[in-house]
Amino acid sequence: VLTQSPGTLSLSPGERATLSCRASQTVSSNYFAWYQQKRGQAPRLLIYGASNRASGIPDRFSGSGSSTDCTLTITRLEPEDFAVYYCQQYTSSTGYIFGQGTKLEIK
Amino acid sequence: QVQLQESGPGQVKPSQTLSLTCSVSGGAISSGSYYWSWLRQHPGKGLQWLGYIDYSGRTNYNPSLQSRLTLSVDTSRNQFFLKLTSMTAADTAVYYCARVGALALDFWGQGALVTVSP
Repeated sequence: VLTQSPGTLSLSPGERATLSCRASQTVSSNYFAWYQQKRGQAPRLLIYGASNRASGIPDRFSGSGSSTDCTLTITRLEPEDFAVYYCQQYTSSTGYIFGQGTKLEIK
Repeated sequence: QVQLQESGPGQVKPSQTLSLTCSVSGGAISSGSYYWSWLRQHPGKGLQWLGYIDYSGRTNYNPSLQSRLTLSVDTSRNQFFLKLTSMTAADTAVYYCARVGALALDFWGQGALVTVSP
């Protein structure tokens, strides 16, 4: 199980966002990823291997992680960053599992 | 740039089998470098991984759906497929296909809404 916190985060453009994800199963941090999903769109990969930005992702997005926890940080929020964010973990026994999502909304 | 596109019926009846196709462009499934995955998202809910397949047909399924799910691949057409049997209203969702690279899903289709109703 992956548990994301907070469920909803209300911030203003220009502020810093910190999203957390905790796993119930210990795995290599290489197996963590983060996705952004806007309404009516498919998810977009932001971060893989806990800390690697996917191609074309701005450097205001960064990730860090350990064997059970990972964090997505967005510095200097832009209007287009307000969306739902999902963390993902891969294990050989469960495959790909996702957190329940964090909704980042404009304050 | 890799692109994926889901196709299939927008509606199926209860107890029927859902068949979806994912067409890949901009990269060959036969390259063998990636896995090819299916996921779904129930209305207003989070993401659920269904399974993945590689170019040779080797599969890995979500244990909760394993008894009802079959994935297959046709490298000559650069397509992979999903079959989900015994559909119920609980299977109503947007179904996505995606490429697995670096242990993450790096390219996604736009999604196909499938509704189960009589």
